[in-house]
Amino acid sequence: LAKTTQPISMDSYEGQEVNITCSHNNIATNDYITWYQQFPSQGPRFIIQGYKTKVTNEVASLFIPADRKSSTLSLPRVSLSDTAVYYCLVGGGYQKVTFGTGTKLQVIP
Amino acid sequence: DTEVTQTPKHLVMGMTNKKSLKCEQHMGHRAMYWYKQKAKKPPELMFVYSYEKLSINESVPSRFSPECPNSSLLNLHLHALQPEDSALYLCASSLAGGRPTYEQYFGPGTRLTVT
Repeated sequence: LAKTTQPISMDSYEGQEVNITCSHNNIATNDYITWYQQFPSQGPRFIIQGYKTKVTNEVASLFIPADRKSSTLSLPRVSLSDTAVYYCLVGGGYQKVTFGTGTKLQVIP
Repeated sequence: DTEVTQTPKHLVMGMTNKKSLKCEQHMGHRAMYWYKQKAKKPPELMFVYSYEKLSINESVPSRFSPECPNSSLLNLHLHALQPEDSALYLCASSLAGGRPTYEQYFGPGTRLTVT
């Protein structure tokens, strides 16, 4: 089961692009990388998922290098409402879902 | 409807009480999950139901008893809990199979306090 490592916390000013990196050195061939966002006292919310290269949706981009040993969640032009904990998950097949320790992002006005 | 609902929102119970948490979804999802989340920690998987059958039990103590009466409902029966069981209990659902590749939809959680 791939283990993930993320920074514990990050600060960013409003309007800036934020990049959160997740390390997963022992990712397996059939593993996908998924990111969730969680606000205090709420359930996590799916942000984006990818397998390789780059994935983009309306809220974020996910960059995955060729060796897939890390991934970077990119949030463009963050606002105060993006203050939350961001979790990186790695898994596939019928593995259980395991959340990493998460990165607490604080957006500063 | 992409919502997972959980009741109650808050629950305070004594160590000798019996109570139940309820979760409901109407998205046609066939996998449902229970997670436990302590303050400032990530959610920890407890149980997974796939097609109404228990597929994963993460060695959870027997004082927690899950039940999936049908594909839309998930219950967590609580009995003789300990103060350390106080946490946010999250329910989630996904399309099928309990695979990590399927997007999970989470409910708002039940804040449980055991006194």
